[in-house]
Amino acid sequence: GESVGLHLPTLSVQEGDNSIINCAYSNSASDYFIWYKQESGKGPQFIIDIRSNMDKRQGQRVTVLLNKTVKHLSLQIAATQPGDSAVYFCAETSNSGYALNFGKGTSLLVTP
Amino acid sequence: DAGVIQSPRHEVTEMGQEVTLRCKPISGHDYLFWYRQTMMRGLELLIYFNNNVPIDDSGMPEDRFSAKMPNASFSTLKIQPSEPRDSAVYFCASSGRVRGRAFFGPGTRLTVL
Repeated sequence: GESVGLHLPTLSVQEGDNSIINCAYSNSASDYFIWYKQESGKGPQFIIDIRSNMDKRQGQRVTVLLNKTVKHLSLQIAATQPGDSAVYFCAETSNSGYALNFGKGTSLLVTP
Repeated sequence: DAGVIQSPRHEVTEMGQEVTLRCKPISGHDYLFWYRQTMMRGLELLIYFNNNVPIDDSGMPEDRFSAKMPNASFSTLKIQPSEPRDSAVYFCASSGRVRGRAFFGPGTRLTVL
């Protein structure tokens, strides 16, 4: 029979606009969070991370916000560019572990 | 550095055949991870090693799957016998002492007919 695929949430933004990608997690013991970007046909690539003792961290054109109260993580991309089109994954680890648990991903499509 | 190297990039095999996927991590990295990606289940951790020792293999689906890391520069993931439901992209990743900053290889796309 036909298999049902996982439908990724998709965010479509215009070039130059800001993008916000959200992620919810469930493990209260999670103490470290990471965002990865996966372009078509490639492996995931590290973007930015944040520890649980912080609520905001900024990188180049990207900002990650962490709200531990509601177990929510977001990635903000400023002035989105066509090269930002990809699937974005949040990942977490806990108890000082090194193995990452990935979320389902969000597909970002940047239109000209 | 060439990054994490995986081979083959594509593998098509028939059900029941043995499949061996290979990985060369980034030199100096202590951790090596095997992930599987499918549309149904997303990215799943299969197993990871620290200093060539398997630390957590709870993600390995069945006894048909096995992984080895005979030295710091080489790891294999073997499926024997393979089944159509094993079709997926298999990623190898490595990391150093910085948690979470794993470097992924390009993946091996496995198709089992």
